[in-house]
Amino acid sequence: EIVLTQSPATLSVSPGERATLSCRASQSVSSNLAWYQQKPGQAPRLFIYGASTRATGIPARFSGSGSGTEFTLTISSLQSEDFALYYCQQYNNWPRTFGQGTKVDIK
Amino acid sequence: QVQLQESGPGLVKPSETLSLTCTVSGYSISSGYYWGWIRQSPGKGLEWLESVYHTGTTYYNPSLESRVTTSVDTSSNQFSLKLSSVTAADTAVYYCARGGYTFHYFDYWGQGTLVTVSS
Repeated sequence: EIVLTQSPATLSVSPGERATLSCRASQSVSSNLAWYQQKPGQAPRLFIYGASTRATGIPARFSGSGSGTEFTLTISSLQSEDFALYYCQQYNNWPRTFGQGTKVDIK
Repeated sequence: QVQLQESGPGLVKPSETLSLTCTVSGYSISSGYYWGWIRQSPGKGLEWLESVYHTGTTYYNPSLESRVTTSVDTSSNQFSLKLSSVTAADTAVYYCARGGYTFHYFDYWGQGTLVTVSS
């Protein structure tokens, strides 16, 4: 099973600042990595797939990068609606696995 | 617009079987894609349980494989999850979602349903 380790667990950022979230895989997942945003009481929402492709309707301030074992989700200028939990998920190997999440909260 | 909706009992007794159904609208499940179940224990992260194709091809999480069964009803555009011998550790919000056939990320999710295991 591929283990995804997200860091940091919590990221405190001021509105308008840049946020950088990390996801590290225990073995290569190529570019088969997705990012999801989850807000309290809601289902996760697909934000990024293929490591760097934004899903439909996702603002350009969100960008994903990386391949192999190291991945990054960057939010260039945090808006109030971006404060949430973010999960990465690999779909290179079965079983599909998720990271434990990074909470982005207001500094 | 693809929509998924979970349904099933919100309370299950220990050692019994948890049964959930996901009804899909806006897309025919026999047209492609995998259809999966993911759960989230209170205050915890996401755990993928299983994914099923309309032909019946299924992948299971090995940690639960001995307790999980799944089925697809294309005539009703539904798929189902059964988890046997449940314990309190199976208490979670259960989500159904659509997963890609080749690239298995989940692009549409149900709203989730809380299942509590308690006597």
